[in-house]
Amino acid sequence: GIQVEQSPPDLILQEGANSTLRCNFSDSVNNLQWFHQNPWGQLINLFYIPSGTKQNGRLSATTVATERYSLLYISSSQTTDSGVYFCAVGPGTGTYKYIFGTGTRLKVLA
Amino acid sequence: DGGITQSPKYLFRKEGQNVTLSCEQNLNHDAMYWYRQDPGQGLRLIYYSQIVNDFQKGDIAEGYSVSREKKESFPLTVTSAQKNPTAFYLCASGVGFGNTIYFGEGSWLTVV
Repeated sequence: GIQVEQSPPDLILQEGANSTLRCNFSDSVNNLQWFHQNPWGQLINLFYIPSGTKQNGRLSATTVATERYSLLYISSSQTTDSGVYFCAVGPGTGTYKYIFGTGTRLKVLA
Repeated sequence: DGGITQSPKYLFRKEGQNVTLSCEQNLNHDAMYWYRQDPGQGLRLIYYSQIVNDFQKGDIAEGYSVSREKKESFPLTVTSAQKNPTAFYLCASGVGFGNTIYFGEGSWLTVV
Protein backbone atom coordinates (compact mmCIF):
# COMPACT_ATOMS: atom_id res chain seq x y z
CA GLY A 1 0.00 0.00 0.00
CA ILE A 2 0.91 3.64 -0.21
CA GLN A 3 3.52 4.92 2.26
CA VAL A 4 3.35 8.42 3.72
CA GLU A 5 6.40 9.86 5.44
CA GLN A 6 6.60 13.22 7.18
CA SER A 7 9.65 15.21 8.17
CA PRO A 8 11.00 16.32 10.49
CA PRO A 9 9.49 14.05 13.14
CA ASP A 10 10.05 16.64 15.85
CA LEU A 11 10.55 20.39 15.70
CA ILE A 12 11.13 22.98 18.41
CA LEU A 13 10.78 26.65 17.52
CA GLN A 14 10.99 29.95 19.28
CA GLU A 15 7.82 32.00 19.01
CA GLY A 16 7.89 34.12 15.86
CA ALA A 17 10.00 31.71 13.83
CA ASN A 18 8.98 30.20 10.50
CA SER A 19 8.96 26.51 9.62
CA THR A 20 8.37 24.09 6.76
CA LEU A 21 6.89 20.64 7.25
CA ARG A 22 7.15 18.04 4.52
CA CYS A 23 4.95 15.10 3.47
CA ASN A 24 6.25 12.55 0.97
CA PHE A 25 4.05 9.83 -0.49
CA SER A 26 5.05 6.76 -2.43
CA ASP A 27 2.34 6.66 -5.10
CA SER A 28 0.00 8.96 -6.95
CA VAL A 29 -2.84 10.37 -4.90
CA ASN A 30 -6.12 12.09 -5.65
CA ASN A 31 -6.75 13.55 -2.22
CA LEU A 32 -4.46 15.18 0.31
CA GLN A 33 -5.25 16.95 3.54
CA TRP A 34 -3.25 18.58 6.33
CA PHE A 35 -4.45 18.38 9.93
CA HIS A 36 -3.35 19.83 13.25
CA GLN A 37 -3.91 17.67 16.32
CA ASN A 38 -4.10 19.83 19.43
CA PRO A 39 -2.94 18.71 22.89
CA TRP A 40 -6.48 17.47 23.68
CA GLY A 41 -6.41 15.09 20.73
CA GLN A 42 -8.77 16.97 18.47
CA LEU A 43 -7.95 16.91 14.77
CA ILE A 44 -8.46 20.22 13.04
CA ASN A 45 -8.64 20.56 9.26
CA LEU A 46 -6.05 22.92 7.85
CA PHE A 47 -6.07 22.36 4.10
CA TYR A 48 -7.56 20.11 1.46
CA ILE A 49 -4.86 20.36 -1.18
CA PRO A 50 -4.40 17.52 -3.71
CA SER A 51 -2.45 19.94 -5.92
CA GLY A 52 -1.45 23.58 -6.09
CA THR A 53 -1.02 26.17 -3.36
CA LYS A 54 -3.38 27.55 -0.72
CA GLN A 55 -3.00 30.08 2.05
CA ASN A 56 -4.95 30.70 5.23
CA GLY A 57 -3.55 33.43 7.43
CA ARG A 58 -0.11 32.44 8.71
CA LEU A 59 -0.39 28.98 7.18
CA SER A 60 0.08 27.97 3.59
CA ALA A 61 0.47 24.67 1.78
CA THR A 62 1.79 23.48 -1.54
CA THR A 63 1.36 20.07 -3.15
CA VAL A 64 3.40 18.95 -6.15
CA ALA A 65 1.52 15.80 -7.04
CA THR A 66 3.80 14.83 -9.93
CA GLU A 67 6.78 14.78 -7.54
CA ARG A 68 4.76 13.17 -4.72
CA TYR A 69 5.22 15.67 -1.94
CA SER A 70 3.39 18.38 -0.06
CA LEU A 71 4.72 21.19 2.13
CA LEU A 72 3.08 23.04 5.00
CA TYR A 73 4.49 26.45 5.87
CA ILE A 74 3.95 28.06 9.24
CA SER A 75 5.02 31.68 9.52
CA SER A 76 5.42 33.77 12.68
CA SER A 77 4.72 30.74 14.85
CA GLN A 78 2.74 31.08 18.07
CA THR A 79 2.57 28.83 21.13
CA THR A 80 -0.93 27.80 20.06
CA ASP A 81 0.60 26.22 16.94
CA SER A 82 2.08 23.49 19.15
CA GLY A 83 0.80 19.98 18.59
CA VAL A 84 1.15 17.33 15.92
CA TYR A 85 0.73 17.99 12.21
CA PHE A 86 -0.45 15.16 9.99
CA CYS A 87 -0.89 14.84 6.28
CA ALA A 88 -3.37 12.28 4.99
CA VAL A 89 -3.61 11.00 1.43
CA GLY A 90 -6.30 9.29 -0.58
CA PRO A 91 -4.59 6.84 -2.89
CA GLY A 92 -6.75 6.83 -5.97
CA THR A 93 -9.99 6.61 -7.83
CA GLY A 94 -12.78 4.35 -6.71
CA THR A 95 -11.93 4.53 -3.03
CA TYR A 96 -12.53 6.99 -0.25
CA LYS A 97 -9.65 5.55 1.78
CA TYR A 98 -7.39 8.05 3.60
CA ILE A 99 -3.96 7.02 4.91
CA PHE A 100 -2.18 9.17 7.48
CA GLY A 101 1.46 10.09 7.59
CA THR A 102 3.79 9.63 10.53
CA GLY A 103 3.28 13.17 11.83
CA THR A 104 5.50 16.11 12.84
CA ARG A 105 5.42 17.06 16.52
CA LEU A 106 5.86 20.83 16.86
CA LYS A 107 6.59 22.68 20.07
CA VAL A 108 6.66 26.47 20.00
CA LEU A 109 8.40 28.11 22.95
CA ALA A 110 7.37 31.49 24.33
CA ASP B 1 -25.34 21.90 15.61
CA GLY B 2 -23.91 19.95 12.70
CA GLY B 3 -21.04 17.64 13.34
CA ILE B 4 -19.70 14.27 14.32
CA THR B 5 -20.48 12.93 17.77
CA GLN B 6 -18.52 10.15 19.39
CA SER B 7 -19.53 8.51 22.63
CA PRO B 8 -18.51 7.74 25.23
CA LYS B 9 -15.48 10.03 25.52
CA TYR B 10 -13.86 7.80 28.15
CA LEU B 11 -14.49 4.09 28.60
CA PHE B 12 -12.97 1.52 30.92
CA ARG B 13 -13.53 -2.17 30.35
CA LYS B 14 -12.23 -5.42 31.67
CA GLU B 15 -10.13 -7.64 29.45
CA GLY B 16 -12.21 -10.12 27.50
CA GLN B 17 -15.29 -7.91 27.18
CA ASN B 18 -16.58 -6.57 23.89
CA VAL B 19 -17.01 -2.80 23.69
CA THR B 20 -19.01 -0.72 21.22
CA LEU B 21 -18.05 2.86 20.41
CA SER B 22 -20.67 5.10 18.89
CA CYS B 23 -20.17 7.52 15.99
CA GLU B 24 -23.05 9.64 14.67
CA GLN B 25 -22.94 12.40 12.06
CA ASN B 26 -25.64 14.80 10.90
CA LEU B 27 -23.66 16.20 7.96
CA ASN B 28 -25.30 13.93 5.39
CA HIS B 29 -21.89 12.49 4.54
CA ASP B 30 -21.65 9.24 2.56
CA ALA B 31 -18.22 8.18 3.81
CA MET B 32 -17.34 7.30 7.39
CA TYR B 33 -14.08 6.10 8.95
CA TRP B 34 -12.62 4.65 12.13
CA TYR B 35 -9.00 5.23 13.10
CA ARG B 36 -6.92 4.08 16.03
CA GLN B 37 -4.18 6.20 17.61
CA ASP B 38 -1.70 4.87 20.17
CA PRO B 39 0.16 7.34 22.42
CA GLY B 40 2.72 9.34 20.48
CA GLN B 41 1.84 7.59 17.24
CA GLY B 42 -0.01 8.35 14.03
CA LEU B 43 -3.51 7.32 12.96
CA ARG B 44 -4.12 3.86 11.56
CA LEU B 45 -7.23 3.01 9.55
CA ILE B 46 -9.44 0.28 11.04
CA TYR B 47 -12.52 0.31 8.79
CA TYR B 48 -14.18 2.68 6.38
CA SER B 49 -17.56 2.83 4.68
CA GLN B 50 -18.37 4.54 1.40
CA ILE B 51 -22.10 3.93 1.47
CA VAL B 52 -24.84 2.47 3.65
CA ASN B 53 -24.68 -1.33 4.07
CA ASP B 54 -21.12 -1.46 2.76
CA PHE B 55 -17.75 -1.21 4.48
CA GLN B 56 -14.12 -2.16 3.83
CA LYS B 57 -11.28 -3.26 6.06
CA GLY B 58 -8.46 -0.84 6.68
CA ASP B 59 -4.92 -1.71 7.68
CA ILE B 60 -5.66 -3.01 11.20
CA ALA B 61 -9.17 -4.53 11.07
CA GLU B 62 -8.39 -7.70 13.04
CA GLY B 63 -10.27 -7.79 16.33
CA TYR B 64 -12.74 -5.08 15.29
CA SER B 65 -16.17 -5.11 13.66
CA VAL B 66 -18.44 -2.40 12.27
CA SER B 67 -21.90 -1.95 10.78
CA ARG B 68 -23.42 0.73 8.56
CA GLU B 69 -27.17 0.25 8.70
CA LYS B 70 -27.91 3.98 8.62
CA LYS B 71 -26.16 6.77 6.76
CA GLU B 72 -25.60 8.77 9.93
CA SER B 73 -24.25 5.97 12.14
CA PHE B 74 -21.07 3.86 12.04
CA PRO B 75 -20.53 2.02 15.36
CA LEU B 76 -17.26 0.23 16.08
CA THR B 77 -17.10 -2.91 18.23
CA VAL B 78 -13.78 -3.74 19.83
CA THR B 79 -13.93 -7.48 20.39
CA SER B 80 -12.10 -9.65 22.87
CA ALA B 81 -9.97 -10.86 19.96
CA GLN B 82 -8.22 -7.47 19.78
CA LYS B 83 -4.97 -8.09 21.65
CA ASN B 84 -4.12 -4.52 22.66
CA PRO B 85 -7.37 -2.52 22.60
CA THR B 86 -6.27 0.34 24.87
CA ALA B 87 -6.03 3.36 22.55
CA PHE B 88 -7.62 6.59 21.34
CA TYR B 89 -10.31 5.93 18.71
CA LEU B 90 -11.28 8.57 16.17
CA CYS B 91 -14.27 8.60 13.86
CA ALA B 92 -14.40 10.72 10.71
CA SER B 93 -16.81 11.40 7.89
CA GLY B 94 -16.67 12.98 4.45
CA VAL B 95 -18.88 13.78 1.49
CA GLY B 96 -17.05 11.27 -0.62
CA PHE B 97 -14.33 11.07 -3.20
CA GLY B 98 -12.33 14.22 -3.66
CA ASN B 99 -13.48 15.93 -0.52
CA THR B 100 -12.37 16.84 2.97
CA ILE B 101 -12.92 14.50 5.88
CA TYR B 102 -13.84 15.76 9.34
CA PHE B 103 -13.19 14.20 12.72
CA GLY B 104 -15.13 13.71 15.92
CA GLU B 105 -13.51 14.41 19.28
CA GLY B 106 -12.47 10.82 19.86
CA SER B 107 -13.04 8.11 22.45
CA TRP B 108 -10.42 6.96 24.94
CA LEU B 109 -10.68 3.23 25.62
CA THR B 110 -8.77 1.66 28.50
CA VAL B 111 -8.88 -2.08 29.00
CA VAL B 112 -7.70 -3.37 32.36
